[in-house]
Amino acid sequence: AQTVTQSQPEMSVQEAETVTLSCTYDTSESNYYLFWYKQPPSRQMILVIRQEAYKQQNATENRFSVNFQKAAKSFSLKISDSQLGDTAMYFCAFMKHRYNNNDMRFGAGTRLTVKP
Amino acid sequence: KAGVTQTPRYLIKTRGQQVTLSCSPISGHRSVSWYQQTPGQGLQFLFEYFSETQRNKGNFPGRFSGRQFSNSRSEMNVSTLELGDSALYLCASSLDWDGANVLTFGAGSRLTVL
Repeated sequence: AQTVTQSQPEMSVQEAETVTLSCTYDTSESNYYLFWYKQPPSRQMILVIRQEAYKQQNATENRFSVNFQKAAKSFSLKISDSQLGDTAMYFCAFMKHRYNNNDMRFGAGTRLTVKP
Repeated sequence: KAGVTQTPRYLIKTRGQQVTLSCSPISGHRSVSWYQQTPGQGLQFLFEYFSETQRNKGNFPGRFSGRQFSNSRSEMNVSTLELGDSALYLCASSLDWDGANVLTFGAGSRLTVL
């Protein structure tokens, strides 16, 4: 079974600074996808970034980037130049690379607070 | 393009009752997944529907069921409600064409069981 672990229940960062959220996962699959989702206080989950396990290059989306270490089964999210709007719950998620399967497994989440 | 729409947004029920939640996916999305979110258990996969068929199912009792209509809209039903069913129920839709698609979530339906 796939498990996703986020060891930081809460984090805070000053506006404009950089913060890194940690995620580890356990799987026997060789091909899979990893995601970071953001859930602001209004509750709607929003995709932040997506990584395909067979791609060695780390994904980047503007101020958001990941450090994907496949051998270590680690998938951390770095937020640069933090903004007040980045305050949210962040969920790391795993999905097998399989057709006919959209079963996504989530970590427990990290509550990030950006302070002015 | 309209997002994923869930109704109702909030509802209160009592133990033993049943509830039906609705989800309208993004136009063109054929896969609809349901998740339960609670403070204690986090986000848990309930089931996924594709082309009116349940394609995957999580580890929930038979009181939790769902269906999908020909227009891809989906409903989930919880019968004989228990206090522990109080949760935010999230629906997500996806295109489902490359084997692992981005899930787009709705705002959720907050169920409180008294």
